[in-house]
Amino acid sequence: EAQVTQNPRYLITVTGKKLTVTCSQNMNHEYMSWYRQDPGLGLRQIYYSMNVEVTDKGDVPEGYKVSRKEKRNFPLILESPSPNQTSLYFCASSLSLVSPTYYNEQFFGPGTRLTVL
Amino acid sequence: KNQVEQSPQSLIILEGKNCTLQCNYTVSPFSNLRWYKQDTGRGPVSLTIMTFSENTKSNGRYTATLDADTKQSSLHITASQLSDSASYICVVSARDTGRRALTFGSGTRLQVQP
Repeated sequence: EAQVTQNPRYLITVTGKKLTVTCSQNMNHEYMSWYRQDPGLGLRQIYYSMNVEVTDKGDVPEGYKVSRKEKRNFPLILESPSPNQTSLYFCASSLSLVSPTYYNEQFFGPGTRLTVL
Repeated sequence: KNQVEQSPQSLIILEGKNCTLQCNYTVSPFSNLRWYKQDTGRGPVSLTIMTFSENTKSNGRYTATLDADTKQSSLHITASQLSDSASYICVVSARDTGRRALTFGSGTRLQVQP
C-alpha cells in the first residue's frame, strides 16, 4: 500500500531533550516536506527536500534540522525542543515539485502530536 | 505575497443539508488548486485538483468550482453526512519550484450535526 508513515504518533518530552521524528514513504517520491499545524494558523512548512542530499528551509525552520540521506526517509530533528514547538507535525511527499504539477499531489502522513513540557 | 483565504472559518449544518465553502487566492502565476479534507488529528487527503482551464470538478458529493478570472474557488457539499465533519483546506500551487510553489489556506472547520 502506497503511504507515508511517521513515528512516533504521539510524544511528550521535556525542554532540551533531543528528539527525532521519522518519516518514510514507499512511493519513490522525490519531494518530501515537513509541516507543523497550529490552531488558527493552518499548515506551515518547516523544511523541504527536492531529492537526496538536497534540503532547504521552509517558512518556519528555526529550531529544526532535517536530513535526506535516502530517498524514502526524511527525519525531522529537534536538537533542543522548547514549549513553543508543541504542535501537530505532518510529513508529506510528492512525485516531484519541478515537473508539471497537476498530478503532483502531496500525500500526507498521519501526523505526530508533540508536546514539549 | 501569495495568499489563500478561506471562509467561513467554521460552519455548523444539519445532516442532509448542503453547504458551500469559499477560497480566495492571490497566488501568481497560478498553476492549480486543490481541496483537501482533514479529519481531526489526521493528515489531509486530496478531494479535487483543478487547473486553470477547469471550471468544475466533482468527487462524489463534493463539487469544486474555479473562477480563475476572479481568483475564487468554492467547494460544495451535497446532502451532508456526519462523516463530512472535518476541516477543508484550499491549497494553491504556483508555477514555480521549491517551497513557494504551495500556499495553504487556514481551512474551514465543518461540523455536521444529526
